[in-house]
Amino acid sequence: EPEVTQTPSHQVTQMGQEVILRCVPISNHLYFYWYRQILGQKVEFLVSFYNNEISEKSEIFDDQFSVERPDGSNFTLKIRSTKLEDSAMYFCASKIDRGVWSNQPQHFGDGTRLSIL
Amino acid sequence: GQQLNQSPQSMFIQEGEDVSMNCTSSSIFNTWLWYKQDPGEGPVLLIALYKAGELTSNGRLTAQFGITRKDSFLNISASIPSDVGIYFCAGQDAGNMLTFGGGTRLMVKP
Repeated sequence: EPEVTQTPSHQVTQMGQEVILRCVPISNHLYFYWYRQILGQKVEFLVSFYNNEISEKSEIFDDQFSVERPDGSNFTLKIRSTKLEDSAMYFCASKIDRGVWSNQPQHFGDGTRLSIL
Repeated sequence: GQQLNQSPQSMFIQEGEDVSMNCTSSSIFNTWLWYKQDPGEGPVLLIALYKAGELTSNGRLTAQFGITRKDSFLNISASIPSDVGIYFCAGQDAGNMLTFGGGTRLMVKP
């Protein structure tokens, strides 16, 4: 069964450094998402992306965050200047499309654990 | 923002017992989803519910989309040790973002 894949599985970064988290969504999916899960807490929405632009973003997704679809397969999340409180699991998700398939569920990757020192 | 209240927060049950957990919201959702998360992994979809009142089964799992579209429950029958994990409900709105509940941690004693 097709999967959402994320790399790296674990990223350790010094505070203030830039970090890029990478995702390869399921190949025929066109709607992409990033979510965050702080240790022991619930999963929180960050941003959704469709047709090469951001569709929605949460309050968490401030100017330090950006997303990009650099080519036909990758979807990245960049944090420009990391803070201690950015330490969390970051999950990428994708779903097939809007329109008649708009109710199709999102499929999640296994996440990248980001540790800020 | 939208909030989902999920209960119970944790359950410790004997193998073979049935389990029930639920989520309630002050907002209406178009779709309700139930995910399971194992340690170190991402949420895995268990059941998706698309219509108010819908009752859907997936093996030993049964879930219902509340008639008001503001609640959902998940039942697991005859629990087994591999059912251990954290179960999350999630509501999807017209904008397609998911709002997650706080999770129910399930522990099964053999």
